[in-house]
Formats: sequence, C-alpha cells, structure tokens
Amino acid sequence: QKEVEQNSGPLSVPEGAIASLNCTYSDRGSQSFFWYRQYSGKSPELIMFIYSNGDKEDGRFTAQLNKASQYVSLLIRDSQPSDSATYLCAVNGYSSASKIIFGSGTRLSIRP
Amino acid sequence: EAQVTQNPRYLITVTGKKLTVTCSQNMNHEYMSWYRQDPGLGLRQIYYSMNVEVTDKGDVPEGYKVSRKEKRNFPLILESPSPNQTSLYFCASSLTPQGAKDTQYFGPGTRLTVL
Repeated sequence: QKEVEQNSGPLSVPEGAIASLNCTYSDRGSQSFFWYRQYSGKSPELIMFIYSNGDKEDGRFTAQLNKASQYVSLLIRDSQPSDSATYLCAVNGYSSASKIIFGSGTRLSIRP
Repeated sequence: EAQVTQNPRYLITVTGKKLTVTCSQNMNHEYMSWYRQDPGLGLRQIYYSMNVEVTDKGDVPEGYKVSRKEKRNFPLILESPSPNQTSLYFCASSLTPQGAKDTQYFGPGTRLTVL
C-alpha cells in the first residue's frame, strides 16, 4: 500500500465549478498535511496546509482533514483555467515527524 | 528575493561520467533536501540535510552523494550516472525539518538525461 495515494486523473472540471481533489494516507500518526500545486515544467509551490480535523479556508481553496478516515481533500471553488495544474498531496511520514511523503499527484484540467 | 537556485537546469550526459548538480538558497534555512520526480511516482526524497556537515539518506539514496560544507549550498553528486537516474531533480529548503510545519521552497528543477 502506498503511503500517500491520489487519483492521478486527469480530472476535468468546467470553469466556475468546484474541483474536488482527494488524498488518503496510511500512517495514523501523521500530523501535518499539505497541498502543493505544480504547473507543467515548474517546481511545486505550497497552496494550503492543515493540521487539525475539519476545514481550513483560504480564498477559493478549502482543505478538509478527517484523521479518523485518514483522508485529506482540497476543494477549489469557482475554478479558473489558471488552476489547471498537478496537485500534490504531502503528509509528514510515519518514521519521523520531520519526514514528508508526497503523493504522485492529481492532474486537474479546467475547461472553459 | 527569497529563492533556491539550481544549476544546470538541463543536462544530457553519458553513463559513468561524474556530474554535480548545485543547489543554493538565500534564506538562511538549516534544512535542505534533494528530490527526484518521475512520472507516476511523485516526488521521492534522495537525501536531506539538517545543518552544515549533517546529512541523512532519504527514500532513494542509491547512486547519489551529497555534501553540506556551507549552510547555503547543498550539491548533489552522481559519481557514476546510469540511465535509471534520468529524472527531474528538485532541491528544496525550509525553516523546519523538511517543511514539517511550514513550506518547503523548491528550486526550478534540473532535468537530467543519462544516455
């Protein structure tokens, strides 16, 4: 079982709709959860992080964490073509609180 | 401007020819890491460093070496590159261990092809 799993996509969403990206992780002891966005040919950049169960909102982005289900998601409201990118879920790993494990990413495409 | 720089950005080389990819950060971060990114496999950590002269293996260290003689620099060394090391490489730095409590700042990436 992969430690951090994401659907590779591509996920196609019409402009203006809500894009929902999901991630599951295997280590129940994980404490920190991150969403990075990576445009094609570019480096990853952090867009959201969450530590506590529940929702965390930042502009059009909402991160949702459910530790009991070992599930973290990212919602993007009012999706724009500029949101088309690969979204990487990252979780602090099982062997040490300082180790970050990345998922393989979900490719999101916003169609006009 | 806070940044992580890598050089070269693109490199084509042949099997067995030693190479070094440089990484430098200007944020006075203690923690630095090297990752490789391959299709379908995501980012996998090669090595990381907690401070000058302190380094440790990540998930895929075989065939790589690193050094941390200065806080700002963290070069990645491939002593004898092989085709399976063809990949996109990222250097990253952070305030906290591997960005456990904050973001990691990534360099622009180095695309390496080993023939």
